Amino acid sequence: DQQVKQNSPSLSVQEGRISILNCDYTNSMFDYFLWYKKYPAEGPTFLISISSIKDKNEDGRFTVFLNKSAKHLSLHIVPSQPGDSAVYFCAATDSWGKLQFGAGTQVVVTP
Amino acid sequence: GAGVSQSPSNKVTEKGKDVELRCDPISGHTALYWYRQSLGQGLEFLIYFQGNSAPDKSGLPSDRFSAERTGGSVSTLTIQRTQQEDSAVYLCGQRTGNTIYFGEGSWLTVV
Repeated sequence: DQQVKQNSPSLSVQEGRISILNCDYTNSMFDYFLWYKKYPAEGPTFLISISSIKDKNEDGRFTVFLNKSAKHLSLHIVPSQPGDSAVYFCAATDSWGKLQFGAGTQVVVTP
Repeated sequence: GAGVSQSPSNKVTEKGKDVELRCDPISGHTALYWYRQSLGQGLEFLIYFQGNSAPDKSGLPSDRFSAERTGGSVSTLTIQRTQQEDSAVYLCGQRTGNTIYFGEGSWLTVV
């Protein structure tokens, strides 16, 4: 039962342009959402999060948007840099029980 | 990330042997999580601890898997009679506020 879905397994974007990663969820009880970045052979690194009481959170080049009615969130990275090439995971939790992850999106930033 | 230390970093074991994976979080953080990522897969929830108790161990794949936590700190994940499908990176995370910070993982290969 995959409650968090990232339907795009990969994304290629030019350096300097915007990367938009999408995530959908099915559980309306989720109240906190997080994005992680993962390089090969490393653990996931926390990027940014958002509470269900908000619809936008921004931190530097990273912005997360939450649309509760559509059960959809997105991560915007602007401008994209070569070091952003990694796998990005969306995750969600209900009152801080287990954190459920999507399958990930591989981002490749090209020169 | 945030001082989560996992050992061993790499382990190659023969099928049928038992393995023990250790997670040392920063003391004082009550919630601790175990996930695993098999090759080409997403992050699979295994178990989480609140203090020394495990409110949700629904992700443990079989009764060959067990985990414990002592003193509200160190946690051990034990896999008995390892199988080749147990090969994965096992990730431990600790929750700080509204974020889970992960260690670098223990890479397990069963041959």
